[in-house]
This record gives sequence, C-alpha cells and structure tokens, in this order.
Amino acid sequence: NAGVTQTPKFRVLKTGQSMTLLCAQDMNHEYMYWYRQDPGMGLRLIHYSVGEGTTAKGEVPDGYNVSRLKKQNFLLGLESAAPSQTSVYFCASSYSYQPQHFGDGTRLSIL
Amino acid sequence: GQQLNQSPQSMFIQEGEDVSMNCTSSSIFNTWLWYKQDPGEGPVLLIALYKAGELTSNGRLTAQFGITRKDSFLNISASIPSDVGIYFCAGQGRINTGTASKLTFGTGTRLQVTL
Repeated sequence: NAGVTQTPKFRVLKTGQSMTLLCAQDMNHEYMYWYRQDPGMGLRLIHYSVGEGTTAKGEVPDGYNVSRLKKQNFLLGLESAAPSQTSVYFCASSYSYQPQHFGDGTRLSIL
Repeated sequence: GQQLNQSPQSMFIQEGEDVSMNCTSSSIFNTWLWYKQDPGEGPVLLIALYKAGELTSNGRLTAQFGITRKDSFLNISASIPSDVGIYFCAGQGRINTGTASKLTFGTGTRLQVTL
C-alpha cells in the first residue's frame, strides 16, 4: 500500500550540480505532477504529465526538466542547481486534473 | 495572475470547538478543492467541489462552493487534536481537452488545537 513514493527524502547540493528526483506511484494513475512548496506560499506546479510519454509545463518550469518514460514513474531533473531552487518538492498523482495523492516530499537545499 | 487569499492565516482553538475558514479569489473557478497537510507529509485531499452552491461533507468536515464562484468555505465541527495541521484551498478554472488548467493553491490556514 505504498501510494506515491518520492526519493530521496533529503538532499543537499552545491550550486551548479545536477540531480534527479524520482516519483513512483502504484495506483495506475494517468496524471502525475511535480510541485514545489516554499514558506508562506501555496504549492506551485512545475511540470505535469497526462500519460506515459507526455509532459507539459506548469506555472514555474524554468530550470527543471521532466520525463515520463514509464506510466508509474515521473522524474524531475535539475540540470544546474541554483539557490532559488531550495524548496520542498512534492509529487502527486491522480485519475484526473485534480491531484489526489501526494508523496511525502523531497527537501532540497542548494548552497 | 490568480491569487487566493485564505483566512485566517492561523488559529488556536480548544478541543470540541467548531472551526471555520475561507478562501477568496479575484477570479472565477470551476472547481474548489480542500487539502490538509500534516508536518513532514504531503497534502491529503479532503473535499472536492464542482458546482456553485454545492455543499459537501466528509465526516466532521463540510465545505461549500460559493455562489459567486470566487470563494469557498471549510467548516470543521467538534475539533479534535488530530485536526492540527495546515489546511489549503485550491481553485481550478475550466479544463480544456488535453491541457490541465492550473490549480492555484492558497497559502494555508494553520490550525492548532489545545486540550
């Protein structure tokens, strides 16, 4: 009964480094999302996918790339990390355009 | 862009009290959602509203889709300690085929319950 699993849970990067955040869901959902959550702000959509092999930009896509090669996985990549990307990242999945199941987040700090 | 104002930002209540919070928008929405987030966890969807004037309950929680379509309300009856957390509203505009209309989240209402 895993639901949505995010890895890693914590990570510290240096400016300019790259990394990939992995999201896996076991509910056979078509829709998957990546959000970032910053203090005092609501969640903001980075990228989303409406099915395997498809991706689309959200509200704040700059500096991020995504891939959905398998239906159950949605990867978020940072090619060259910047301090402004310090945040908590949440993945979500659902059967519709309203995200229903969220992971527990990845806390990312960029020095 | 669209903005959602949640009120109050935080509240302390005693166990057993009823709680009310609201969310207002500068734009019309077709869908309103309410989520709860516990510390260190992701948000959990509580209630979804799809029609102006709609009133929907989930246990002790009741949410309403405002008639103007620019606001929504969440009530919690007889609060208990596990109600502690941050409650987020989210609004969504019309969904076009093949694209996701951006879901705009509020900044949250932090609820703390004292015994």
